[in-house]
Amino acid sequence: DAGVTQSPTHLIKTRGQHVTLRCSPISGHKSVSWYQQVLGQGPQFIFQYYEKEERGRGNFPDRFSARQFPNYSSELNVNALLLGDSALYLCASSLRDSIGELFFGEGSRLTVL
Amino acid sequence: KQEVTQIPAALSVPEGENLVLNCSFTDSAIYNLQWFRQDPGKGLTSLLLIQSSQREQTSGRLNASLDKSSGRSTLYIAASQPGDSATYLCAVNPGNTPLVFGKGTRLSVIA
Repeated sequence: DAGVTQSPTHLIKTRGQHVTLRCSPISGHKSVSWYQQVLGQGPQFIFQYYEKEERGRGNFPDRFSARQFPNYSSELNVNALLLGDSALYLCASSLRDSIGELFFGEGSRLTVL
Repeated sequence: KQEVTQIPAALSVPEGENLVLNCSFTDSAIYNLQWFRQDPGKGLTSLLLIQSSQREQTSGRLNASLDKSSGRSTLYIAASQPGDSATYLCAVNPGNTPLVFGKGTRLSVIA
């Protein structure tokens, strides 16, 4: 069975641009969460979606947005990129809402120049 | 506010040694605790999940314990191998809010 898949794996953008990151959860999983991990730190929660509804939002500016599609895949969008947005963006899926075991993808490495 | 601390931040051991990684959390009201492994530049691999009602979980050479009342968990790795070199992350699940992660322990096993 395929695990959580994310695309693209690496990308380079310049300040002010927009980026879209994509995530496909494990088959049968209905919850998708997004995390940002900067070098040397633990992942920080950005969004969680369950059954296509937003269930949680972390302490990130409105430049960050996300959505979940009917097939449970998800997109994370970041507008007006800043240098500080450079990070590894991780997607995780779980069977249940907020209490299930989380399974992570390989991440999307974003570099903002 | 839940805070998770992992000690030590980095650890270097010779191959074959048994070792313990520590994780502490400030709020004992958790639903479960999960240990992850992360290789450089890669995603997180789930190692062990301990429910709040459990005391420990084992998988191969790995054993994780949980003492919820004292806010502590340990990850024990037996007979360490160079392939165990990675960063190990602890995350607590409060149940109604997202996972809270520690900063991780960077482990190097020297052949």
